[in-house]
Amino acid sequence: GQSLEQPSEVTAVEGAIVQINCTYQTSGFYGLSWYQQHDGGAPTFLSYNALDGLEETGRFSSFLSRSDSYGYLLLQELQMKDSASYFCAVRNQGGKLIFGQGTELSVKP
Amino acid sequence: DGGITQSPKYLFRKEGQNVTLSCEQNLNHDAMYWYRQDPGQGLRLIYYSQIVNDFQKGDIAEGYSVSREKKESFPLTVTSAQKNPTAFYLCASSIDFGSAEAFFGQGTRLTVV
Repeated sequence: GQSLEQPSEVTAVEGAIVQINCTYQTSGFYGLSWYQQHDGGAPTFLSYNALDGLEETGRFSSFLSRSDSYGYLLLQELQMKDSASYFCAVRNQGGKLIFGQGTELSVKP
Repeated sequence: DGGITQSPKYLFRKEGQNVTLSCEQNLNHDAMYWYRQDPGQGLRLIYYSQIVNDFQKGDIAEGYSVSREKKESFPLTVTSAQKNPTAFYLCASSIDFGSAEAFFGQGTRLTVV
């Protein structure tokens, strides 16, 4: 089977750093992606890791360890507008793009 | 501007009626996807299409049907066989089935009464 596990919710304060973890189990693996979704809106792509290591895009970074079937999204210098749901997603060898249940991030003043 | 368009944004139907949700993209993408999202839940894959005239069942295909007669269009029909159709439906596309990035439409919120 295939599944992705991530925490259901995380709370942090403005200016802080937060890490959202994702563990996955999938038949074939072609990369781990992260998406952001504000309430009622369309998910938007944040980052992608196909190989082990850290990818940095501005305040957001994403990490992947293929041997551990694990990745995380790191958000730095948190802002109120970062309050949203964050989804990890994996693409398997069949072309499916499978999403996790999402982590709701609440940023407090 | 290039993008992916879903219509309508809100849709109401009576129980027992079939309803078709529209999804159009002008990004020249080969791959398209339909997801269902329930309140506070993740995105569950209904159907996906790697290329025109081809589509595959996702994880929750029962009660749904799709077609992919044109590259830019991937309509989803919610049939009366779907036991709990009220949900937020999201359509997405990517350059090809191996692409890292998927682009999403704004979604259709379907309410069956």
